[in-house]
Amino acid sequence: AQSVTQLGSHVSVSEGALVLLRCNYSSSVPPYLFWYVQYPNQGLQLLLKYTSAATLVKGINGFEAEFKKSETSFHLTKPSAHMSDAAEYFCAVSANFGNEKLTFGTGTRLTIIP
Amino acid sequence: EAGVTQSPTHLIKTRGQQVTLRCSPISGHTSVYWYQQALGLGLQFLLWYDEGEERNRGNFPPRFSGRQFPNYSSELNVNALELEDSALYLCASSSGGLAGGGDTQYFGPGTRLTVL
Repeated sequence: AQSVTQLGSHVSVSEGALVLLRCNYSSSVPPYLFWYVQYPNQGLQLLLKYTSAATLVKGINGFEAEFKKSETSFHLTKPSAHMSDAAEYFCAVSANFGNEKLTFGTGTRLTIIP
Repeated sequence: EAGVTQSPTHLIKTRGQQVTLRCSPISGHTSVYWYQQALGLGLQFLLWYDEGEERNRGNFPPRFSGRQFPNYSSELNVNALELEDSALYLCASSSGGLAGGGDTQYFGPGTRLTVL
């Protein structure tokens, strides 16, 4: 079984500051890991995904995440926050056999302070 | 290329009624997933269809059901609606298949269901 823990349901950063959203996973098999973003009243948009090809994954809008097996982590970062980054971010995990369901974390709401 | 589409956008129903939500996947995708996003409960997996068959089911009662049509579109049916069924219902599609894993799921905008 897989699970994901997102530390911090709310994160606030100043515009231009580093964004760090934390995600730890638990999986009995090598996982696939995903970060999605949800803007108000919209569906989910994929930011990036880890599929074992490279531990540092670059995504859209300047976001990246690093897979650390020893720490069972997949934290999302962005060097410089922009006002348009304000949204809810979800980390998700799936098993690496078949196209299994996504198991989501509880989400982190990111607020950008002007 | 068109993304995943869902209809209707919003629905208001009363307790005990039945509702049908619809989803059209991205062209060429054969897998459709349904998720429920209820306030305070996060995103919960409901159902997975691939090639017309139900492949996996989340921890939801049998009054949640669905199907996938030959054109890969899908319906989610909820019978005997309860207040706690109020949620955003998200549909996602992927290129599908039962091997390989890690396929990206692309999400639609969702259907907001309110049960009064």
